[in-house]
Amino acid sequence: DAGVTQSPTHLIKTRGQQVTLRCSPKSGHDTVSWYQQALGQGPQFIFQYYEEEERQRGNFPDRFSGHQFPNYSSELNVNALLLGDSALYLCASSLASVQETQYFGPGTRLLVL
Amino acid sequence: AQSVTQLDSQVPVFEEAPVELRCNYSSSVSVYLFWYVQYPNQGLQLLLKYLSGSTLVKGINGFEAEFNKSQTSFHLRKPSVHISDTAEYFCAVSAGDEKVTFGTGTKLQVIP
Repeated sequence: DAGVTQSPTHLIKTRGQQVTLRCSPKSGHDTVSWYQQALGQGPQFIFQYYEEEERQRGNFPDRFSGHQFPNYSSELNVNALLLGDSALYLCASSLASVQETQYFGPGTRLLVL
Repeated sequence: AQSVTQLDSQVPVFEEAPVELRCNYSSSVSVYLFWYVQYPNQGLQLLLKYLSGSTLVKGINGFEAEFNKSQTSFHLRKPSVHISDTAEYFCAVSAGDEKVTFGTGTKLQVIP
């Protein structure tokens, strides 16, 4: 049973570019959450998707957007990248009925130059 | 709004010694509490969680935590640490419909 997978593992972009990160949830999970973890910090909640809709959102600008597909996989898009967007982006999946128990993927490390 | 405080950014401890990693939270409603471990260059792994019931929660790798409502604490303990426990540990809280909030992490360094 595969756990949560994320791609790519590493990414380098320049300021102003756009990036798309991908996440496949743990088998059977229907809810996907995205977090940003800056160096030396705890993860910060970006948003959560369920039934292809954004259900909750943290304090992130509209440059951060997402999508969930019918197979429950998800994408995180970041437009107009800033240096401060450099971070580890974590995806977590859960069951809507047990959403407090999340399983995390290994993350995508994004470096913005 | 909920918040989590991990007062110790780094905790060095000798191998086979006991360790306690401190976590305090604030919330106006009933909470769920979690401890996660993050090894270098990896994602987060759930160590244990408190949802309800017994205040002493046992997790993986010999860790346990105690929920103390009056102290608003959820400290993580292990009676004897191993080198392999060297990692960063995050406490997290979730209350009501609010999103999960993480602390800033505690780096546990086990000294041989």
